[in-house]
Amino acid sequence: EIVMTQSPATLSESPGERATLSCRASQSVSSDLAWYQQKPGQAPRLLIFGASTRATGIPARFSGSGSGTEFTLTISSLQSEDFAVYYCQQYKNWPQTFGQGTKVEIK
Amino acid sequence: EVQLVESGGDLVQPARSLRLSCAASGFTFDDYAMHWVRQAPGKGLEWVSGISWNSVSIGYADSVKGRFTISRDNAKNSVFLQMNSLRAEDTALYYCAKDKYSSPNYYMDVWGKGTTVIVSS
Repeated sequence: EIVMTQSPATLSESPGERATLSCRASQSVSSDLAWYQQKPGQAPRLLIFGASTRATGIPARFSGSGSGTEFTLTISSLQSEDFAVYYCQQYKNWPQTFGQGTKVEIK
Repeated sequence: EVQLVESGGDLVQPARSLRLSCAASGFTFDDYAMHWVRQAPGKGLEWVSGISWNSVSIGYADSVKGRFTISRDNAKNSVFLQMNSLRAEDTALYYCAKDKYSSPNYYMDVWGKGTTVIVSS
């Protein structure tokens, strides 16, 4: 199975700052990568699919990039509601696999 | 409103069985594949199983293969997860999720709130 590795495990940033989250695949997944946001006590929410396409209703401050094995989720200016855990997921091969998550916390 | 509502979670002893259900509404259920994804306490997300719109294509994580069975009833807009031979490591919040497309090979664009399974003696 494809192993997804996210870094860092925790990112401490201040509101208004730029956040950059990384996701690496153990083998190429082309652009078959999604990002999800999960807030405490809530279900995950789809942010990005196809590595760079925002899902419906997702603010433009969220952007995704990368292909192959290296991917990035960027939040251009952190808002209070953005502090959460973010997961990447590859859907190139079965089983779909998730990264272990990056927690974005308030600095 | 697109909605997924899971039910059936419970406290169950090891080696016993449990059946989870997920009721869908607000979209044409039989156009889409469905998944079960779980999250152990304090841990990340783990894909468990997926099923295509017509139940032809089905897949399982290695951790549950041979013990869990996914199924769906398009007439009832529902998907199920039959869990047998439960282990302590199956303890988790189980989410039902809708695939973007009809085959379970893509990403999940709608999630339920989950149902809790605790396996303990």
